[in-house]
Amino acid sequence: EPEVTQTPSHQVTQMGQEVILRCVPISNHLYFYWYRQILGQKVEFLVSFYNNEISEKSEIFDDQFSVERPDGSNFTLKIRSTKLEDSAMYFCASSARTTNEQFFGPGTRLTVL
Amino acid sequence: AQSVTQLDSHVSVSEGTPVLLRCNYSSSYSPSLFWYVQHPNKGLQLLLKYTSAATLVKGINGFEAEFKKSETSFHLTKPSAHMSDAAEYFCVVSSPPHSGGYQKVTFGTGTKLQVIP
Repeated sequence: EPEVTQTPSHQVTQMGQEVILRCVPISNHLYFYWYRQILGQKVEFLVSFYNNEISEKSEIFDDQFSVERPDGSNFTLKIRSTKLEDSAMYFCASSARTTNEQFFGPGTRLTVL
Repeated sequence: AQSVTQLDSHVSVSEGTPVLLRCNYSSSYSPSLFWYVQHPNKGLQLLLKYTSAATLVKGINGFEAEFKKSETSFHLTKPSAHMSDAAEYFCVVSSPPHSGGYQKVTFGTGTKLQVIP
């Protein structure tokens, strides 16, 4: 069964460094999403992406964040200058237009020291 | 607009007894509803989903949920809890695809299930 994959599973970085979290969505999906879950809190929507453009973003998704689909398979989330409060689990998801279901990846745990 | 409320942040049951995790939703659309489970330091695993077919939905590991439109509820149940069920459970509501094609997904705050031996 096709699935969304994410790399790395765990990323540790120093405050102020740039990080790129990678996702490979399901191959025939066209809509891509990033979510964040701070430890002990609920999953929060960050951004949705379609046709090489951001469709919607939350107030969390400020200028420090960017997303890109650099090739036909990867979908990336970049955080330019990480802060301590960026420490969280980041989930990627993808969906097909014809369904109401988003398929989630296993997540990348980002730890900012 | 849509929202989801999980009424209990923590539920504690004895092994072998029934589980009930409550979820209420609101949506301007005909929503799709999902339950996900998250074990400690793990990702999200889909337990079951309701997408306007049968109102009683069966999922993995013996879980099921019933969509009740009149009560705007989608409670998760299991007849007999197992130690391996101890985890956090998230109720999720999803809108139909927008005109732009993407869905709006909203997570509940989660319910931590503790299973006592």
